[in-house]
Amino acid sequence: SAVISQKPSRDICQRGTSLTIQCQVDSQVTMMFWYRQQPGQSLTLIATANQGSEATYESGFVIDKFPISRPNLTFSTLTVSNMSPEDSSIYLCSVEGDRDVDTQYFGPGTRLTVL
Amino acid sequence: AQSVAQPEDQVNVAEGNPLTVKCTYSVSGNPYLFWYVQYPNRGLQFLLKYITGDNLVKGSYGFEAEFNKSQTSFHLKKPSALVSDSALYFCAVRDSGGFKTIFGAGTRLFVKA
Repeated sequence: SAVISQKPSRDICQRGTSLTIQCQVDSQVTMMFWYRQQPGQSLTLIATANQGSEATYESGFVIDKFPISRPNLTFSTLTVSNMSPEDSSIYLCSVEGDRDVDTQYFGPGTRLTVL
Repeated sequence: AQSVAQPEDQVNVAEGNPLTVKCTYSVSGNPYLFWYVQYPNRGLQFLLKYITGDNLVKGSYGFEAEFNKSQTSFHLKKPSALVSDSALYFCAVRDSGGFKTIFGAGTRLFVKA
């Protein structure tokens, strides 16, 4: 399976600011996924990012709030814009396996707290 | 639309006893089914999956799961629980024709020494 790293691992931010989360994969992958996991809850898909095209957002998530970049096949960023305390969550990057594309593998997550 | 249900918020079991974490699903096509585990302050780790073939699948850390098509279930099992198995477990489903994976609400497993 791919090795996925995320930066930062955690951050505490002030209301109204923005944070960009980076996701780096050690192999080339077609699709990358960004999830949100609110405290004590399940994972919710924010968007799917393919290299060279606009990200596809799920219902309830918009590009102005969560802009995503996918400049190449090993890297993606998710920005959480104009943050409020309700954005406090763990943000997870995920990719399909390189040999088992039917399985998703996850990064360690970014724990965001908004004050 | 696909969905997955984990009916138990929490499962408590004594160390050395067998454990079961339940999962039922709903998909329009053939299901791809997964179990993931999340330890405190860590990301999700893949445990096992069912795509096709033998209904009993074996995965990491001694876990196994049984696919039951008639009951649309995919329960996670382990013959002898360890305290270190205490974690949050997620069942997930994906339609064979799609690429989105839908996750259940999660079941917290507590294994008492």
